[in-house]
Amino acid sequence: AQRVTQPEKLLSVFKGAPVELKCNYSYSGSPELFWYVQYSRQRLQLLLRHISRESIKGFTADLNKGETSFHLKKPFAQEEDSAMYYCALSSSGNTGKLIFGQGTTLQVKP
Amino acid sequence: EPEVTQTPSHQVTQMGQEVILRCVPISNHLYFYWYRQILGQKVEFLVSFYNNEISEKSEIFDDQFSVERPDGSNFTLKIRSTKLEDSAMYFCASTVQGGGYTFGSGTRLTVV
Repeated sequence: AQRVTQPEKLLSVFKGAPVELKCNYSYSGSPELFWYVQYSRQRLQLLLRHISRESIKGFTADLNKGETSFHLKKPFAQEEDSAMYYCALSSSGNTGKLIFGQGTTLQVKP
Repeated sequence: EPEVTQTPSHQVTQMGQEVILRCVPISNHLYFYWYRQILGQKVEFLVSFYNNEISEKSEIFDDQFSVERPDGSNFTLKIRSTKLEDSAMYFCASTVQGGGYTFGSGTRLTVV
């Protein structure tokens, strides 16, 4: 079954601390993985796609097929990073449905 | 930057009434989707639409739901007879081959 697991509902760190938001997936084929961010119940915004391998707002994520993980990392958290983060998997390239994880709330304290 | 536009932002309806949620996808996008998020839960896929037909739908998308692209720009989700459990945030999304998915800001549906 296709599944995305984000084990932490809440991650609380101090400003300047490193951040790692965990994401594990279950998928039989070759997945396309995404991270979306949602600030204060606004729209879901694309943060990263694994195929683009770019860094956005200092965040990076590496696809580890052996561990079936796509963890989101940032070396120094900022208060404006406080938001809900969703890991998602596309079932069919980049046009199939997205399967979302439960989401992790990142709280960056001053 | 192009946006996906959803209207209304909030709709309150009585149980049993029909509602239509509207979306204007990005103009050159060809794949369209509806998702919903019940308060406190994860975002769930409802339906995908391509080439004027449904390409995939979830178990949630039963006979009470329908989608339409009536005029080449709007993409609508209709719920024929709303139930209390349909209360949720409904997100529209669109994409193009090789692109990323772009989401609208959502419609909060409250069924009373």
